[in-house]
Amino acid sequence: DVVLTQTPVSLLISLGGQASISCRSSQSLVHSNGNTYLHWYLQKPGQSPQLLIYQVSNRFSGIPDRFSGSGSGTDFTLKISRVEPEDLGVYYCLQRTHNPWTFGGGTKLELK
Amino acid sequence: QVQLMESGPGLVQPSETLSLTCTVSGFSLTSYNVHWVRQPPGKGLEWMGVMWSGGSTDYNSALKSRLSISRDTSKNQVFLKMNSLQSEDTTTYYCARAGLYSGAPFDYWGQGVMVTVSS
Repeated sequence: DVVLTQTPVSLLISLGGQASISCRSSQSLVHSNGNTYLHWYLQKPGQSPQLLIYQVSNRFSGIPDRFSGSGSGTDFTLKISRVEPEDLGVYYCLQRTHNPWTFGGGTKLELK
Repeated sequence: QVQLMESGPGLVQPSETLSLTCTVSGFSLTSYNVHWVRQPPGKGLEWMGVMWSGGSTDYNSALKSRLSISRDTSKNQVFLKMNSLQSEDTTTYYCARAGLYSGAPFDYWGQGVMVTVSS
């Protein structure tokens, strides 16, 4: 199975600051069709995960441009600029290139 | 709008079978795939299995021997059954929708149902 390793495990950020989360895969996430199926989610306390970014860098409907995704192959990054209180929670990456589909272990974003 | 809602018992006895229902609205089960994902308390997410839009299924090999997913399209419902439950199956279970193309993200999720395995 593909292992996704997220770092850091937790992140202390001031309001208005910038956060960067890494997701590294144990194997390339480039599908045989050439696409890369790496997605990002935020799980706010007591809620289900919500989709932020799909296929590395595409923002889902309603997601502000403060959120951006980048990367290729095995290394991916989610950046959050101008952190707001509603950005707090646990961030997960998900790969849907190789079955079984797997999630990263999560990165908890907290306020400094 | 798109909605998914899980329902089922909050408590299951060890070694018994869990039965959960995911009721969807705002989309057709024949046009989207519905996945099941679980999350132990305070821990990460695990993909369990999928009901494909065409009616076939796929399971995580770690759970395959215990898991069954089915559906009733007339009722807009997807069902999960898992047998031989143990304490490590105490988790929150989510159903989530994904588009038809290979690798599509889980774009909408239910609110989850917490299941405790205990006597």
